[in-house]
Amino acid sequence: KAGVTQTPRYLIKTRGQQVTLSCSPISGHRSVSWYQQTPGQGLQFLFEYFSETQRNKGNFPGRFSGRQFSNSRSEMNVSTLELGDSALYLCASSRDGSLGYGYTFGSGTRLTVV
Amino acid sequence: AQTVTQSQPEMSVQEAETVTLSCTYDTSESDYYLFWYKQPPSRQMILVIRQEAYKQQNATENRFSVNFQKAAKSFSLKISDSQLGDAAMYFCAYRSYGGSNYKLTFGKGTLLTVNP
Repeated sequence: KAGVTQTPRYLIKTRGQQVTLSCSPISGHRSVSWYQQTPGQGLQFLFEYFSETQRNKGNFPGRFSGRQFSNSRSEMNVSTLELGDSALYLCASSRDGSLGYGYTFGSGTRLTVV
Repeated sequence: AQTVTQSQPEMSVQEAETVTLSCTYDTSESDYYLFWYKQPPSRQMILVIRQEAYKQQNATENRFSVNFQKAAKSFSLKISDSQLGDAAMYFCAYRSYGGSNYKLTFGKGTLLTVNP
């Protein structure tokens, strides 16, 4: 079956711009989580959605937002980009995060802010 | 808040030999899940093995096994008969059981090199 699909794979943006990243989960998975991965901070949790509702949010500024659609696809948006937002953004899906199943990750979107 | 510590930034192993990656965590919870994920250069995080804290038995998946010591809050990964394809960054992760906290808390990772 198809895995978790993230688009685009690479993105270069200028400071001050905004960006939208997309994640299509595995069919039947209703939980989608987003993580930011940087060399300095490692993997940090951004937020998690289930059935179009945000259930958890990490410690990121309000410039980071997300949403989930009725087909479980999710988008995350970063407004007013800063150089420090350069990172690999990973999306993970699960049937139902509350059951503790391992999440299936996508290959990520590499965002570079210049 | 929970924390996960991987004290070995890098490890190396000879092909066909065995290597153990260390992970310790800090939590006040009694029930939780622990995971090992592998991230090769392709960037995709791949689930290697999963352990439920309420299970005494250590999880095993083919050449991968864990040594789960709940009292010591230790969760090490043993890779037997190492293969070149095992070379990757390995992350240990923690997740609360139940409740409303569904996030994974990751360690900083261990870069594993497999030498032919």
